[in-house]
Amino acid sequence: AQTVTQSQPEMSVQEAETVTLSCTYDTSESDYYLFWYKQPPSRQMILVIRQEAYKQQNATENRFSVNFQKAAKSFSLKISDSQLGDAAMYFCAYRSAYYGGSQGNLIFGKGTKLSVKP
Amino acid sequence: NAGVTQTPKFQVLKTGQSMTLQCAQDMNHNSMYWYRQDPGMGLRLIYYSASEGTTDKGEVPNGYNVSRLNKREFSLRLESAAPSQTSVYFCASSDLGHQNTEAFFGQGTRLTVV
Repeated sequence: AQTVTQSQPEMSVQEAETVTLSCTYDTSESDYYLFWYKQPPSRQMILVIRQEAYKQQNATENRFSVNFQKAAKSFSLKISDSQLGDAAMYFCAYRSAYYGGSQGNLIFGKGTKLSVKP
Repeated sequence: NAGVTQTPKFQVLKTGQSMTLQCAQDMNHNSMYWYRQDPGMGLRLIYYSASEGTTDKGEVPNGYNVSRLNKREFSLRLESAAPSQTSVYFCASSDLGHQNTEAFFGQGTRLTVV
């Protein structure tokens, strides 16, 4: 079974600075997808960025980028130029590319609460 | 562009009461999911439905039942609520096609069982 681990329950960053959130996962599969979701106090789950395992190039979305290390099974999220609106809970999630019994279910880490200081 | 709509947003139940959480999506997705979110636990899968007419248990199915009413709707029922079911519940949907791999979530239901 796949597992996702986020080892930082809480993180803090100064506004305009850069912060990196860590995520590791365990799987025996070779093809899968990885995601970072943001959950602000409104509770809404918002997709931040995704990475396909077959792509070597790290995904980027504006101020958000990932460092995907497939051999190390690591998938960290870097937030550049942090803004007050980035304060939220961030979840790392794994999804198999093999639509067998799991049918595309997302497996989540326990989350990292990010605070942004003005 | 409603996406995934969950009702209600908040609910308080007494122990032993029953209720149904409703979920509907308008994105023509085949797969739908119910998760619960507890502090420090992330989101855990309760049940999922790969397609209309099929449902399967996830990681924490005990105490819940589901119905995939049609392609759009997937409901979660608590037959006899217990305080351990106090949680935030999320419905999600996705298309398993290669081009669209993300899951879309409803706004969540905060359920308190007293």
